[in-house]
Amino acid sequence: GQQVMQIPQYQHVQEGEDFTTYCNSSTTLSNIQWYKQRPGGHPVFLIQLVKSGEVKKQKRLTFQFGEAKKNSSLHITATQTTDVGTYFCAGPGTGTASKLTFGTGTRLQVTL
Amino acid sequence: IAGITQAPTSQILAAGRRMTLRCTQDMRHNAMYWYRQDLGLGLRLIHYSNTAGTTGKGEVPDGYSVSRANTDDFPLTLASAVPSQTSVYFCASSDSMALSSYNEQFFGPGTRLTVL
Repeated sequence: GQQVMQIPQYQHVQEGEDFTTYCNSSTTLSNIQWYKQRPGGHPVFLIQLVKSGEVKKQKRLTFQFGEAKKNSSLHITATQTTDVGTYFCAGPGTGTASKLTFGTGTRLQVTL
Repeated sequence: IAGITQAPTSQILAAGRRMTLRCTQDMRHNAMYWYRQDLGLGLRLIHYSNTAGTTGKGEVPDGYSVSRANTDDFPLTLASAVPSQTSVYFCASSDSMALSSYNEQFFGPGTRLTVL
């Protein structure tokens, strides 16, 4: 079945450092979504990428969809303590368009 | 306030007991989902429903059942709980029929379940 892997599983940075998480799918994706889950909270949608090679920015966050549409990345510039949480990518599941297959997530810890 | 509610917030349950986790949304979304979240394993889909009256199995359906009698409610039942079902359970919904939508999923606050 479809697998979506993320690396690293965990990263600890000092505030102000950059951070990147990578998402890799075993199959070509029609689109990819990113979610953020704060500690003790629930996942919240951040963005969706659809086009091959697409790059989107949200303030300090940059999202990229690979040319082959099998990988994606999220880069945070100059991390802040408010960036703490787990970041998940998700691709369309098999069999029905509404399902998502979530990646394993990358937990980001930011310290002063 | 529009959104998804889940109940209970947390529960400690003896093995072998029956338990129903409740989920209600007021966004009139057609699709609803149940996930379990375990450390290091991310979010795994248990069951889903694309519309009222229909349900489907996700990645880890064994030991769980769902029903979708109406648009708003999507309860998850553990017929006979086992310790391996100790997890955090999230309900989610999406408007997968909307042409202009990203089909993003909206998550409830979660239910923390411990089976002893």
